[in-house]
Amino acid sequence: RKEVEQDPGPFNVPEGATVAFNCTYSNSASQSFFWYRQDCRKEPKLLMSVYSSGNEDGRFTAQLNRASQYISLLIRDSKLSDSATYLCVVGGLKSSGDKLTFGTGTRLAVRP
Amino acid sequence: EAGVAQSPRYKIIEKRQSVAFWCNPISGHATLYWYQQILGQGPKLLIQFQNNGVVDDSQLPKDRFSAERLKGVDSTLKIQPAKLEDSAVYLCASSLDGGRVFTDTQYFGPGTRLTVL
Repeated sequence: RKEVEQDPGPFNVPEGATVAFNCTYSNSASQSFFWYRQDCRKEPKLLMSVYSSGNEDGRFTAQLNRASQYISLLIRDSKLSDSATYLCVVGGLKSSGDKLTFGTGTRLAVRP
Repeated sequence: EAGVAQSPRYKIIEKRQSVAFWCNPISGHATLYWYQQILGQGPKLLIQFQNNGVVDDSQLPKDRFSAERLKGVDSTLKIQPAKLEDSAVYLCASSLDGGRVFTDTQYFGPGTRLTVL
């Protein structure tokens, strides 16, 4: 089983749609969770951290389910500019030698 | 605030040649990462430095890859000799020194796109 697993997509949605991505992780001791966004031929940039209680930033909502070991990202009212690859990132304890692991990314294409 | 700088942006070499990449992290960031991103995949950590010490190089192919971060600031990653499968984007990232878990944002440079022929 991969350490961090994502559906590669692409998710093809119309403007204004709501879309959700899931990401599963294998290490139950994981402590840190993030969503990064990567535009085509650009570097990844932090979209949001994911907290245990869930968190929202405008049209974006991230949630963590420790029991089932997955995190999710919900995008409401999709914009053309949301078209990108969304990378799930999971990290464990530094003292255990864990590292930050990136998923392969989920590609989102928002059409007019 | 200046971001993470990397050079060169593009490099084309033939297999068995050597190549070196340079990275200058954001000022004050203690942690520096080198990632390899193959087309269609997520970034894969090659090596992580905390100041000038190596924290993790478990995924660095040490028979051909080497990296250093002298003086705990900028860093170089070298491949010698290169193979076809090394064709990828090499990303450098930096972050503030976090605590026992990874809480700090990683800031990525624009990357170096390597093509090995």
